[in-house]
Amino acid sequence: KAGVTQTPRYLIKTRGQQVTLSCSPISGHRSVSWYQQTPGQGLQFLFEYFSETQRNKGNFPGRFSGRQFSNSRSEMNVSTLELGDSALYLCASSEGATSYEQYFGPGTRLTVT
Amino acid sequence: ELKVEQNPLFLSMQEGKNYTIYCNYSTTSDRLYWYRQDPGKSLESLFVLLSNGAVKQEGRLMASLDTKARLSTLHITAAVHDLSATYFCAVDIGSGGSNYKLTFGKGTLLTVNP
Repeated sequence: KAGVTQTPRYLIKTRGQQVTLSCSPISGHRSVSWYQQTPGQGLQFLFEYFSETQRNKGNFPGRFSGRQFSNSRSEMNVSTLELGDSALYLCASSEGATSYEQYFGPGTRLTVT
Repeated sequence: ELKVEQNPLFLSMQEGKNYTIYCNYSTTSDRLYWYRQDPGKSLESLFVLLSNGAVKQEGRLMASLDTKARLSTLHITAAVHDLSATYFCAVDIGSGGSNYKLTFGKGTLLTVNP
C-alpha cells in the first residue's frame, strides 16, 4: 500500500500571500489530521477531517482552514501568511473506524519570507 | 487544557546501556502514542497504547501505560546507535470513538554514543 503523500514538499512564500497544501491519505483511510511543527512550539494539532466533515479543531486563527474531498484527499489553506507560519506541516491518515494508528506523511516545509 | 510532559528532553547514553523516557499527561485520555522522528524526516509510529496496564515491545523498545497515574514510559534496552532520534509521546483527547486530536510532548532527543 502506498503511504501518505503530501504535495508540495517544499514551498517558499512571501508574507501576505496564501498557500494551499495537499494530502492524500493511505487508500481506504477516511480520517485525515493536520499538524504544524516548529522548533519553538513543537507539534501542534490543526484540524481533523473524517468523511468530509471537520470533527476536531486546534487553537489556530481563522487564517488556517481545511477541507476534505469525497475521495478522502485533504487540503489545508493558510491565508495572509505571516513569518511565524514557517513550519513543517504534517498530515496523518487513519482508517478511522477500527484502527487507532495514525500514519504520517513526509510533510511540507513552508518558508515564509 | 491538556498538558503532556516528557522527560528528559535530552538524553545522551552509551551503547549497551538501558534507560527510560517518561511521559506524564494531565487529563484522562483514551489513547497514548509513541513516535520516532529522525532529523529532517516525518514521524514514524512506534506504539499505540489503548488501556491501563498496556505493554508493547518492539525490538529494544518497550512502552507501557498507567492511566491511573497518567504516565507512560518508553524503556530502551541495550541501546544501539541506530536508536538515536527524537522520541515523542502524544495523547489523544478527541471527542470520543475514533476521533483524533493528538497533543504532543516536546520530544526527547536521544543520542546513543559508541
